[in-house]
Parts: sequence; structure tokens; C-alpha cells
Amino acid sequence: DIVMTQSPDSLAVSLGERATINCKSSQSVLYSSNNKKYLAWYQQKPGQPPKVLIYWASTRESGVPDRFSGSESGTDFTLTISSLQTEDVAVYYCLQYYSNPWTFGQGTKVEI
Amino acid sequence: QVQLQESGPGLVKPSETLSLTCTVSGGSINSFSWSWVRQPAEKGLQWIGRMYTSGTANYNPSLKSRTTMSLDTSKNQLSLNLTSVTAADTAVYYCGRLREGGVFDSWGQGTLVTVSS
Repeated sequence: DIVMTQSPDSLAVSLGERATINCKSSQSVLYSSNNKKYLAWYQQKPGQPPKVLIYWASTRESGVPDRFSGSESGTDFTLTISSLQTEDVAVYYCLQYYSNPWTFGQGTKVEI
Repeated sequence: QVQLQESGPGLVKPSETLSLTCTVSGGSINSFSWSWVRQPAEKGLQWIGRMYTSGTANYNPSLKSRTTMSLDTSKNQLSLNLTSVTAADTAVYYCGRLREGGVFDSWGQGTLVTVSS
């Protein structure tokens, strides 16, 4: 299985400040035939299912505010919230969908 | 706007079979592919498997021997059976619609299944 390791487990950020969440995959999730990295980011609020923010490591889902962005370098992936808003308080998960089983990171809790 | 709704027993006895149904409305189950994900209380997400409209399924190897997913196109429903359950299978179970790649673009609200005698 590909292990997805997120850091930190939690972080507190002031309103309007930047939040950075990291995710490292234990092996490459790059599919060479299409040069895409099979990595997505999800946001989950209490009592709700996860919501997709980013896929293909850096493609923002339609309707997601542009303060959310994804980047990558090798097997390291980053979700950045450029200016934290109150509604961004949630747990964030990375997901690799490169190989079976799809695996999530353990989650990062973002608080204000 | 497609909507998904999980249903099934909230309590299952150890060693018995967990059976859940996901009813899809506002869209055809014949499009896209479908998946189940579970989440134990206060814990992270675990992917259970993926069902294609062709009838082919991919299962998480850790659950494969106990898992069966199926589609009922006449009822627009997706189902999950998990046999020989233990307390470790206690979780909120979500069904989701998969668009391209790993994009779950619609989810049910989730249903809590508790395994206990």
C-alpha cells in the first residue's frame, strides 16, 4: 500500500494568515503515460462528508475559492490556504488514487 | 443535482453481514463510477472499493475477502455487503460518486453502523 503521511497533525492559524499542510507519499503517484500525479485534497467539516478541493495535485475543483491551492515536488505535496477564513476550520485529507488500495493521509486539523 | 442516500441497519451483531444500500436520485447510476468509504469515530478515512458501471469492482485488499459491491440499475442503487464483521468495522459509511480520477463529486450524508452484540 502507498502510505500517505500528513504534517502537521494539527495547526492553528490566525484569520487572514496562510495555512500550509503537507502530505508525503511513500512512493511515486505519477502516472507516466499522462504525466499526472494522482493526488487529491479533501476538506471535511464535522458531521459532513469530505469535499474535494484539489485533484491531479494542483487542479482546483470548480467552485472552490482560489485561496486554496495545491503544489507538488516529487512525492511531496502541499495544500495552501492563502488567507484563512472562519469557514475553513476543518480537517484536511490528502488521497492518492494511483494504486489499489486508494489511501488517505491521517488528516490535518486546522483551527483558528 | 445528484443526491445519494445511504440506508441500512445501524446495528449489526459480530460475525454477521453488514448490508448497506446507496440510492441515487437526480442522475443515472449508469454514468460515472461509485465507491464506498468508511470512517471510524474520530478517525480517518478508509477507501473500501470502487464499482464501475460495467459491473467490475476493485476492492481494498484488506477487506476484499469480506466485501461485495453491486449495482442495481433498475433501482438506481449501489449496495455494499461486508461479511463476518467485528467491532473494528464500526464506522460511518459513505457512498460517493466518482468523476475523473480521485474526485468524489457527490456523497451521501453517511450512515453509522455499529457492530455490537
